[in-house]
Amino acid sequence: AQSVSQHNHHVILSEAASLELGCNYSYGGTVNLFWYVQYPGQHLQLLLKYFSGDPLVKGIKGFEAEFIKSKFSFNLRKPSVQWSDTAEYFCAVNARNAGNMLTFGGGTRLMVKP
Amino acid sequence: SQTIHQWPATLVQPVGSPLSLECTVEGTSNPNLYWYRQAAGRGLQLLFYSIGIGQISSEVPQNLSASRPQDRQFILSSKKLLLSDSGFYLCAWSSWGGMNTEAFFGQGTRLTVV
Repeated sequence: AQSVSQHNHHVILSEAASLELGCNYSYGGTVNLFWYVQYPGQHLQLLLKYFSGDPLVKGIKGFEAEFIKSKFSFNLRKPSVQWSDTAEYFCAVNARNAGNMLTFGGGTRLMVKP
Repeated sequence: SQTIHQWPATLVQPVGSPLSLECTVEGTSNPNLYWYRQAAGRGLQLLFYSIGIGQISSEVPQNLSASRPQDRQFILSSKKLLLSDSGFYLCAWSSWGGMNTEAFFGQGTRLTVV
């Protein structure tokens, strides 16, 4: 079975700081990779996804993530965070033969100070 | 367009009482359906998933059960709630059969068992 690890549980940054949230997964086969975001009081929504092709994927609101297959990683980045990026971020994986069942990491709570 | 409805939004139930949370999807047919629980600091845990009517797979042994009486309806139940059942429950759907699809989430139900 696959598993997902997010090593940073809480991150506090000032506005304009750069962000990188780590995500590692364990699964030997082909995977699809996702980052979801949950803003305070809102439902979970997709930030970006990787299925195939260019390992550097760009999502909404200036976020990007890079799939490094050799490291089993899919880290999320943003060059300059804003106060409105305060949210909880979840990395998720599904194995291609697992019926689109998502396995989530534990989440990272990001707080951006104005 | 597809939409997912989940209710109620909040629920306070006494220990030992029954539970029924309902989720319905509109605008698609034969979706994969999921129930997740989000506990503080523990990310999202997959509880149940279903690839069709009457087909339920349980990921975690627990005090809960799920049913899919109709194609686009997914119900989470318990006969007797425990304090440890408190949490935030999320319903989600994804397209059946396609390998490269993401999951879409409902607004969630905040359950407090007292």
